Amino acid sequence: EVQLQQSGAELGKPGTSVKLSCKVSGYNIRNTYMHWVNQRPGKGLEWIGRIDPANGNTIYAEKFKSKATLTADTSSNTAYMQLSQLKSDDTAIYFCAMWAFAYWGQGTLVTVSS
Amino acid sequence: DVVMTQTPPSLSVAIGQSVSISCKSSQSLVYSDGKTYLHWLLQSPGRSPKRLIYQVSNLGSGVPDRFSGTGSQKDFTLKISRVEAEDLGVYYCAQTTHFPLTFGSGTKLEIK
Repeated sequence: EVQLQQSGAELGKPGTSVKLSCKVSGYNIRNTYMHWVNQRPGKGLEWIGRIDPANGNTIYAEKFKSKATLTADTSSNTAYMQLSQLKSDDTAIYFCAMWAFAYWGQGTLVTVSS
Repeated sequence: DVVMTQTPPSLSVAIGQSVSISCKSSQSLVYSDGKTYLHWLLQSPGRSPKRLIYQVSNLGSGVPDRFSGTGSQKDFTLKISRVEAEDLGVYYCAQTTHFPLTFGSGTKLEIK
C-alpha cells in the first residue's frame, strides 16, 4: 500500500524558513514525480511545483520560484520542500502528492506569525 | 497558464439524486501523446484530496461506479449518480497536461 507521511505542523516567524518532509512507503520515488500543492485557509488547491527524484530536476509555478525549493532523498524515499522568507500569506496547508495526484499526504499546516 | 473554470460553485442535493459538475479549460488538454490529462478530485471535510477520475473517464482505485467522467479537448463533466451522504465535500478538476498544473476553483456539494 502506498502511503505518504508528512511532517508535523510548523509555526514560523516572518522572514524565516521552514522545511517540510514527505516520506513515501510502498513505492520507490525514483519512479515517479513528487508534487507539492498548497491550500490557504478556506481556499482551493494551488500547485507549487514538482521534482523528479531520480535526477533532481524541478519545475515550479512562477509565483513560487523564489519561495519554494524542492529536493528529494532517494535513499530515504523522502521528498522535501523548503519555504523561505515566510510571510503571513504563506499560512496554509501544504500537501505532497504523486502519480498525477493519485496519492496524497495528510498535509502539513504552516502558520506564519510573530 | 491554463484556467480551469468550474461550475456551479456549489450544489445542494438530496440522497439518491444525480448531479453534474462542469469544468472548462482555456486551452485544449490533449497532450502530444494523444492523451488528455484531466482529472477529478474530491476533498471531503478535513481530509486530503482523493482522486476519483483520471484522464477524463477512468475510475480511480476503489471509486464506486456511481462516478463517471466525460468530455474532450476543453469541456469536461463529472457526473454522480445516486448521491450518497459520503459524497459531500469539494470537487476539483485538475489538469496535468500543461505547466503550471492548475485546478478548478472547486464545487462544494452539500446534502439536503
